[in-house]
Amino acid sequence: DTEVTQTPKHLVMGMTNKKSLKCEQHMGHRAMYWYKQKAKKPPELMFVYSYEKLSINESVPSRFSPECPNSSLLNLHLHALQPEDSALYLCASSRKPDGSSGNTIYFGEGSWLTVV
Amino acid sequence: AQRVTQPEKLLSVFKGAPVELKCNYSYSGSPELFWYVQYSRQRLQLLLRHISRESIKGFTADLNKGETSFHLKKPFAQEEDSAMYYCALSGQAGNQFYFGTGTSLTVIP
Repeated sequence: DTEVTQTPKHLVMGMTNKKSLKCEQHMGHRAMYWYKQKAKKPPELMFVYSYEKLSINESVPSRFSPECPNSSLLNLHLHALQPEDSALYLCASSRKPDGSSGNTIYFGEGSWLTVV
Repeated sequence: AQRVTQPEKLLSVFKGAPVELKCNYSYSGSPELFWYVQYSRQRLQLLLRHISRESIKGFTADLNKGETSFHLKKPFAQEEDSAMYYCALSGQAGNQFYFGTGTSLTVIP
């Protein structure tokens, strides 16, 4: 099973709303990621959690707030977003503790976010 | 710093022709290199990784440390190969994972 599940698939929110994106994996992976992808562009790394601790924040604005409640779940809390934040948000995971998956990263289908 | 370069944004080849998608990297260490593919309206999928040295869907890629390249090749392109291809690099710590700018491959029937 190489499944990373993201919800919702589509989200439309106003600039004053608060919403959350959710991600779940049951592969025993200990690293989880949020990426942002604009149309016809590569994914841009936003955050990395390793063993449930935030290890990388790529200078993401504070209106994006990640949370890792446990090793299987990753959330991205959204508040006061701007229209330019509209994009596909991808969750990914990698690295079993025994190293058996190497550094291969597995992606979810993404959440399409539109900020109006 | 680490960087992945894919010099071609767009690449068109005829069905049955050989195809090569270029990828160069710079990394101060021993990275792990990958190719990911994104078909229209589908999730990013792993195509192959250099440490596996395997062939997937007829594609191969060899890591050339001297030239710091990891070019993706297929001897005979098929229409279903039309997609966006991303070269990616993972650092030694494994937590950092960066993508090149991508190459959009179109296979002309």
